[in-house]
This record gives sequence, C-alpha cells and structure tokens, in this order.
Amino acid sequence: QKEVEQNSGPLSVPEGAIASLNCTYSDRGSQSFFWYRQYSGKSPELIMFIYSNGDKEDGRFTAQLNKASQYVSLLIRDSQPSDSATYLCAVHPGGNTGKLIFGQGTTLQVKP
Amino acid sequence: GAVVSQHPSRVICKSGTSVKIECRSLDFQATTMFWYRQFPKQSLMLMATSNEGSKATYEQGVEKDKFLINHASLTLSTLTVTSAHPEDSSFYICSARGQGFGYEQYFGPGTRLTVT
Repeated sequence: QKEVEQNSGPLSVPEGAIASLNCTYSDRGSQSFFWYRQYSGKSPELIMFIYSNGDKEDGRFTAQLNKASQYVSLLIRDSQPSDSATYLCAVHPGGNTGKLIFGQGTTLQVKP
Repeated sequence: GAVVSQHPSRVICKSGTSVKIECRSLDFQATTMFWYRQFPKQSLMLMATSNEGSKATYEQGVEKDKFLINHASLTLSTLTVTSAHPEDSSFYICSARGQGFGYEQYFGPGTRLTVT
C-alpha cells in the first residue's frame, strides 16, 4: 500500500525561527510532490510543488526533495504566527487517475 | 488563477433528505475533479474521482448510490448526498486538476454539512 508519512506534531517554533517539516513516502516511482497548508476549519491551499531532486524556493518557503531517500521537506524561514496551521504533504504515485496520496499532516505552532 | 468555488458553504438538513453540493472551477477547465470528506481532527479522505462526461470512480467503502457525483462539464461537478443521516455530517471538499496542468489539485473552500 502506497503511504505518505508525516509526524503529526505539534511542532512548536518561536516567531522568526526556521520551521522544518518532513515527509517520507513509500512508492519509489513517485514523481510529483506537493505541500498544502490547511488552517483550522478551512480547506487545503497549495503552497509548493516540486518534481526534481534538490531545493525549490518561493519566498519564505523552500521545498527539498531527495528521491533516493524518498524524503521531501518544507522549510519555512522567519516563521510568523500566521504560519500556524496543519501542513499536508501529498505525493502523486504515478498512473493516470491523478489521485494524490496525502499524509496525515503536521501541525505547526509559531509562538510570538 | 486556479480558483475553485463550492456552494453552499454550509448546509443543515433533516435526516432522510438529500443535499446537493456544487463545485466549480472558475478560471480554468478541470479535466478531473475530486471529492473528499474530512471529519474533525482527521486527514482528508478521498471519496471519488470524476472526469467530465464519465462515471465517477469511487474509493473502496464509499457507497456510490448514496453519494451521487455528476461531472457535467469541464467546470462543474456536483455531489448529492442522498437520504442523509447524522453520521454523514462532515466537511466535504472538492478539488480540481486543470487541463494542461501538472498533478497539483486546487481545492474549493469546502461545504460543512450538518444532518439533524
């Protein structure tokens, strides 16, 4: 069974620090990786996607992918209280359905 | 860009009645739409995948006769919860994958269903 694993947290960081969120996946053939942010009571919002090994930066967010280790991470620099949310890692394992496999999510708390 | 709307945002209905939820891609054509359900403090659960003009593909354990999905056009999919029961109360969220896009899905704002 194809799986995506995340530490549920909560991960607590002080305001201004770097938050590091991690995700592992089981299907070695996976090619597309996504990070979503979900505020309490709201729907998920796409914040990053990454397809190639290495780093991809977008503002305060950096996604890192290591296919050999089957590991994808999200770094949030200069964390703000408004970043407090649940972060969902999603993986497209291949095939034509377009379905994504979601992790359980990591809850991030940024303390002022 | 890539905006998805859902209507209604919140609905309360009586047990035994049916409720229809609409999902629209506003600024792109959606080849595939997905319907999820999320209970409090739990992760997303995929219910079904629908492609325009085709029958929906339901995930294991999801009753297709209870959750009717219609994907009539490249911008509209509907989910009808038939003969709703209190245990169907949940947060229903649709997402869409755009024509010519990668595999990213864009989510609607969700519909909170309460069955009394």
